[in-house]
Amino acid sequence: SAVISQKPSRDICQRGTSLTIQCQVDSQVTMMFWYRQQPGQSLTLIATANQGSEATYESGFVIDKFPISRPNLTFSTLTVSNMSPEDSSIYLCSVRRTGEDEQYFGPGTRLTVT
Amino acid sequence: KQEVTQIPAALSVPEGENLVLNCSFTDSAIYNLQWFRQDHGKGLTSLLLIQSSQREQTSGRLNASLDKSSGRSTLYIAASQPGDSATYLCAVVSGTASKLTFGTGTRLQVML
Repeated sequence: SAVISQKPSRDICQRGTSLTIQCQVDSQVTMMFWYRQQPGQSLTLIATANQGSEATYESGFVIDKFPISRPNLTFSTLTVSNMSPEDSSIYLCSVRRTGEDEQYFGPGTRLTVT
Repeated sequence: KQEVTQIPAALSVPEGENLVLNCSFTDSAIYNLQWFRQDHGKGLTSLLLIQSSQREQTSGRLNASLDKSSGRSTLYIAASQPGDSATYLCAVVSGTASKLTFGTGTRLQVML
C-alpha cells in the first residue's frame, strides 16, 4: 500500500480567498489524482497531476479555478481559488504505483467556505 | 460514458448478519473494479480489487464477485460487526485513460 498525508486536514475559509492543499506520498508513484466529494455525494475526479507538466483536467474543471502542481514523484498541491460556498467539499488526493492497478487515497481535506 | 450505480443506498442490519452490497456499471469494457470503505468524513480505504479476468476476490470476511458481461459486482460481508458501519463505494476503471469512476455508495449501519 501507499501512505498518503494531506495538509490541512480541514479548514474554514472566507468567500473569495484561496486555499492550497498539499499531498505527500511515502514513495514514488506514477500517477497522482485529485478528487472532490461534495456533501452527500460520491467522488468526482478533478484532474490528474502530471509530474513536470500541466495537469490534465476533467470536464467541468479548469486550471484557473483549480491550479495543480506536481514538482516530483511524491508531492502535489491543489489550490482552490476564489472560493465560494459551493466549493465546500472534501478534497482527496489519490495515487497509483507503476505496474499496479490498486489506487490509494489520502485522508482528505474538509473545506468549508463561509 | 461509464455510469456506476449502487443498491441499496442505505442499509441497517443487526450485528451478525451476512449481507450483500450491489454495484452495477453501464459499460462492461472495464479493466478492473475496486471496492472501498469510507468512514464518515474521512478518506477511502481500499478493500478489494478484482481484475476484469477474475470472478472473485476474498479478504477475511469480505468477498467480492464480478460478472463483467452483465455489468455487476457484489460485495459480501459475513458476520457483520458494528465496526463495519461505513459507506461502501465501488469504482471501475474503463476507457483509455485508466480513470476510476465511482458509484453512488451504500451507507451501512450495523447495530448492536
